[in-house]
Amino acid sequence: GQQLNQSPQSMFIQEGEDVSMNCTSSSIFNTWLWYKQDPGEGPVLLIALYKAGELTSNGRLTAQFGITRKDSFLNISASIPSDVGIYFCAGVRSGGGADGLTFGKGTHLIIQP
Amino acid sequence: EPEVTQTPSHQVTQMGQEVILRCVPISNHLYFYWYRQILGQKVEFLVSFYNNEISEKSEIFDDQFSVERPDGSNFTLKIRSTKLEDSAMYFCASSVTDQGEQYFGPGTRLTVT
Repeated sequence: GQQLNQSPQSMFIQEGEDVSMNCTSSSIFNTWLWYKQDPGEGPVLLIALYKAGELTSNGRLTAQFGITRKDSFLNISASIPSDVGIYFCAGVRSGGGADGLTFGKGTHLIIQP
Repeated sequence: EPEVTQTPSHQVTQMGQEVILRCVPISNHLYFYWYRQILGQKVEFLVSFYNNEISEKSEIFDDQFSVERPDGSNFTLKIRSTKLEDSAMYFCASSVTDQGEQYFGPGTRLTVT
């Protein structure tokens, strides 16, 4: 099946630092989504990307849909304590139908005060 | 802001028993999904549902699983004879379009003993 390779697996940073994480795949995706998940809760949608090359921001978050449609990155600027959590990339593959999302394994963000 | 709701938040059941997990998707959404997340792992797609029928299902969604939209608001996942390995968080999600943003509920934690 399709897999998304997400890196890094975890990040230990200081408050105020910028963060960067990415996802790559051997398959093409039509849509890239980035979610944040807090312990015991459901994934919360952060950013959605629909076009190759698209760069989208949501506050301190910026994400890009790779030109090849096989990768995406998420940047968080000036991290704050509430940014702690697990960040997942997810892709919707090409083709019709109600495709399920393929998720990466997540990047665990830990912020040291 | 509209959100996906799920009940119960936690279900404990004995191996071999049937369970029904319930979801109320966002009201104007047309596509519905179930995902599961085993503790510490990534979110995995189970099934998608559109126009009162299954649109796509993964290898995980075997004959033990079924989905139903019994009325205009609820969307259910039934596991006929639970196994220990069915223990996981189960998330419902919904979207307006088949390639669009999927919004997740808070999840049901299923514990099979």
